[in-house]
Amino acid sequence: DAGITQSPRHKVTETGTPVTLRCHQTENHRYMYWYRQDPGHGLRLIHYSYGVKDTDKGEVSDGYSVSRSKTEDFLLTLESATSSQTSVYFCAIEASGSYEQYFGPGTRLTVT
Amino acid sequence: DAKTTQPPSMDCAEGRAANLPCNHSTISGNEYVYWYRQIHSQGPQYIIHGLKNNETNEMASLIITEDRKSSTLILPHATLRDTAVYYCIVRVPQGGSEKLVFGKGMKLTVNP
Repeated sequence: DAGITQSPRHKVTETGTPVTLRCHQTENHRYMYWYRQDPGHGLRLIHYSYGVKDTDKGEVSDGYSVSRSKTEDFLLTLESATSSQTSVYFCAIEASGSYEQYFGPGTRLTVT
Repeated sequence: DAKTTQPPSMDCAEGRAANLPCNHSTISGNEYVYWYRQIHSQGPQYIIHGLKNNETNEMASLIITEDRKSSTLILPHATLRDTAVYYCIVRVPQGGSEKLVFGKGMKLTVNP
């Protein structure tokens, strides 16, 4: 699966707690993305990164922060989880100039 | 908002060609058409992309009309494993990276 892993794969947490999701790649690709997928909305971009320490917001970034301290890892943090952040989260990677994004297996997050 | 329009669903008989339509009437001259699919609960999978010429790979063919306002993804011999949600996407440039904007896609059901 294009050398992408996500951890954890499943998580249940309580409202107000911090949560960090990890995306790890072995491909050394420059671009990494975090999406969320909810019924009726398809996939929506949360944040993306175009290099180490270079990140930018997507269309649904409120309530989320990201960090990329090394090429292979892109972390998504929910500082204080809310029930509206219950979703399936997908990470994707893309090589410069490739025009193809490859997706990880997803993390199912439930906020109670 | 997605810049493409797809029918919500389509059925196809196993072994027959599946022709999946997509309208993108507002596409710009330098925007590419991409197709991805998502099999139940998995991460989206890249299928094919094109600018203005027809394209073919081991998975599918992409036919883009001369005015580029619509395209058709062709799965030449559909199998049960091709049952999935198919996304037609126009690539939108954004800053240092070109993001994918996923709409709701089209559910293809391949019947035995």
